[in-house]
This record gives sequence, C-alpha cells and structure tokens, in this order.
Amino acid sequence: QQQVKQSPQSLIVQKGGISIINCAYENTAFDYFPWYQQFPGKGPALLIAIRPDVSEKKEGRFTISFNKSAKQFSLHIMDSQPGDSATYFCAARWGNTPLVFGKGTRLSVIA
Amino acid sequence: ETGVTQSPTHLIKTRGQQVTLRCSSQSGHNTVSWYQQALGQGPQFIFQYYREEENGRGNFPPRFSGLQFPNYSSELNVNALELDDSALYLCASSLALAGYNEQFFGPGTRLTVL
Repeated sequence: QQQVKQSPQSLIVQKGGISIINCAYENTAFDYFPWYQQFPGKGPALLIAIRPDVSEKKEGRFTISFNKSAKQFSLHIMDSQPGDSATYFCAARWGNTPLVFGKGTRLSVIA
Repeated sequence: ETGVTQSPTHLIKTRGQQVTLRCSSQSGHNTVSWYQQALGQGPQFIFQYYREEENGRGNFPPRFSGLQFPNYSSELNVNALELDDSALYLCASSLALAGYNEQFFGPGTRLTVL
C-alpha cells in the first residue's frame, strides 16, 4: 500500500519558470510533510517541511502548499534554475514514526 | 559538527554472500534509521535504532539485521544476498525529541549483487 503518491514522475521546466510537484497522502494521522532534494550519488537532503496547522510555507524560492481537506501537498519552485535539476521526494510521517516517501520526481531545468 | 557518514561508498557482492554496511551518525544524534532505495524509487524504511535497541522495523525479512553502538554509530547486515538487494542503502540520523526529529541522511552505500 503506497501511502504517499507523487506526481509527475518527471518534469522539464524552462529556466526562470515555475516547477510544481504534487503529492497526495492517505493516512490522516500524518503530521509532518517534508520535501527532500537528491542529486545523483548523494543522499536526500531536507529542502523544506510543513506541519498541517499551516496552509503554506515559503523559504526563498521554495514554497509548500498544503490542503488538509484534500489530503494533498505540493512543492513550488519559483524562478527555476539549472542547479535545481535533481530528484525531489515528498514524504510524510506522524509522531516519531519512520518517513514514508513518494516515488520521486526527476526535475530537469533547461536553459 | 560533522554530518552523517557511510562506508563503504560502493560494494559488489555475489548472491548468497553476506555484507556489512556502516554509518556514523551526526554529532549529538542518538537515533539511526536505515533505508533501502532501489533505482528510480523512493527510500523504503528498513529499521531504526534508538539507544542501541531496535525501535521499529519495516517490511524487510530477518536476514536484514542491525546494530547500534554506544557512540550511536550503526551497522546494517544483510545475509544470504539476493539480486533484488541491489540498491542504495541510506542511513539517517536524528535526535529523538518528543514530536520532532528531523532526519539527516548520509550519502549512501551503493550495493550491487551479481
């Protein structure tokens, strides 16, 4: 049972454009929703995270939008740059339970 | 402050062999989690260690086992290797505080089983 569904699988965006990655979850007990960025040959690195008491969190060019009623959350990357080209994973967890990851989105930002 | 380190970086084994992977947690962290990341997939939770005790396990068979040492470093052992065990094995450390334990990942060990 996949508890976190991520889409799209891959994404190509022009430099300066907006990258949008979506995730949907099933477990209403989840209370922590992080996004990880992974470059080839590296481990995932925490990018930004949100808790369900807020609907949006912004850090620099990265924004998480959270819709509790729809059980969905998304990552927006504004002014996308070639250096943002990586694989992005959404994840979810409740309490101190292990992270449940989506399958990932491979983002390519082209000049 | 040093981050999470893992060794070795790459490893090639044959089916049926045994392997030990190592992880040093970030300074001050007392919890280590291990994940398996197959090619093109998200990380899958294997198990977690807190203060040298297994504290949660994912859907992996008993031939996957682990240890945590007094300095909070950890080992992942896999016996009777199968071809499907080929993956990137990730270690993540965290400081277990009530309601908040952000995980920091190491670079991983790439295991290839032939």
